[in-house]
Amino acid sequence: EAQVTQNPRYLITVTGKKLTVTCSQNMNHEYMSWYRQDPGLGLRQIYYSMNVEVTDKGDVPEGYKVSRKEKRNFPLILESPSPNQTSLYFCASSLWKGGGKADTQYFGPGTRLTVL
Amino acid sequence: QQQVKQSPQSLIVQKGGISIINCAYENTAFDYFPWYQQFPGKGPALLIAIRPDVSEKKEGRFTISFNKSAKQFSLHIMDSQPGDSATYFCAANDSSYKLIFGSGTRLLVRP
Repeated sequence: EAQVTQNPRYLITVTGKKLTVTCSQNMNHEYMSWYRQDPGLGLRQIYYSMNVEVTDKGDVPEGYKVSRKEKRNFPLILESPSPNQTSLYFCASSLWKGGGKADTQYFGPGTRLTVL
Repeated sequence: QQQVKQSPQSLIVQKGGISIINCAYENTAFDYFPWYQQFPGKGPALLIAIRPDVSEKKEGRFTISFNKSAKQFSLHIMDSQPGDSATYFCAANDSSYKLIFGSGTRLLVRP
């Protein structure tokens, strides 16, 4: 089954304790992205990756890191989480290759993160 | 600064009625306008999308209307059903790798 998986689905942590949220897709997509969803703000893009070893900032990258060492995986790293990073996080992938031909993004099930 | 403004924030419609959600944008470089549907506990999923070379696109009960001069686009759900109850997001892209989402509309269809 074609899908995007995220782990963990729920996470409660404390301020400053490094964490990683994993994302994996089995559709051989080149494009992957991370979003955070907050009430009244919709989905805001954190980082995206156009291919292996190619990443760029979205609209809200502060406090986050990403890496893309393999095509299927795109982990999101919070090196020193703070309470304002409490949110619902979504990973997405797409066949999208840029250049005006935006394509469907397939979203994972989400990771609900609480930072105390 | 929100580049895509979505309204209303919430919407209650009776079964069989028409649900209408509106979005407006400022960036004239946007050239791809998708709508995503999200059920509780799930990730968003593409519902329907339009490019500015057409003014309307219909897929089943879902229709996107696009007004390029007014820089507005809307989602119409005809014969709304309780199973349509979800959060709907409009979005826009300007040929970059970024997809800009609206703030979302929570739709409740009453039986």
